[in-house]
Amino acid sequence: DTAVSQTPKYLVTQMGNDKSIKCEQNLGHDTMYWYKQDSKKFLKIMFSYNNKELIINETVPNRFSPKSPDKAHLNLHINSLELGDSAVYFCASSRRRGGEQYFGPGTRLTVT
Amino acid sequence: GENVEQHPSTLSVQEGDSAVIKCTYSDSASNYFPWYKQELGKRPQLIIDIRSNVGEKKDQRIAVTLNKTAKHFSLHITETQPEDSAVYFCAAIGGDMRFGAGTRLTVKP
Repeated sequence: DTAVSQTPKYLVTQMGNDKSIKCEQNLGHDTMYWYKQDSKKFLKIMFSYNNKELIINETVPNRFSPKSPDKAHLNLHINSLELGDSAVYFCASSRRRGGEQYFGPGTRLTVT
Repeated sequence: GENVEQHPSTLSVQEGDSAVIKCTYSDSASNYFPWYKQELGKRPQLIIDIRSNVGEKKDQRIAVTLNKTAKHFSLHITETQPEDSAVYFCAAIGGDMRFGAGTRLTVKP
């Protein structure tokens, strides 16, 4: 009965590789988000989709590309991974834009 | 983008004492102010929120106050317990979405 799920939970990869993180919510929410939490625990919004439409696109490198195949899924693809991409990535969803957000368990990405 | 300032960055209290965390925002369009608790290795979880048409909200030992004129809001935890130890984040959401940098609260038994 997991509300917001992410896969994988851990991801260790080398610089230059391309990887994807998947997120799914079964809450029927319209809005989904991707956050990056760095080693200092700072939580920063990266992207937000509302009904499969991109509504927030913060200043992140264009190596990061979100994809929303349907309202329940928001995946994050990262090209040419760099050391500085190492962080915990959280997916979240809310019933509507600006509403209470439910976070996924996070994906710890380590780039070596 | 607009920022949310959160203070203090660390807070240590004795069990049973109160803890107060303060946030200041700058985006006038912000109208929703949630507070999240994140325990070590876990996901952030909403503990209380307030909307801009309300000045104060309380839920058992937790309360949030909002001063929209001054653009600041605060989290108050009374009768703290060791299980309150965590990192707390404030956020200001409206036209933009910004989180504070977090406060690491330690409650000593």
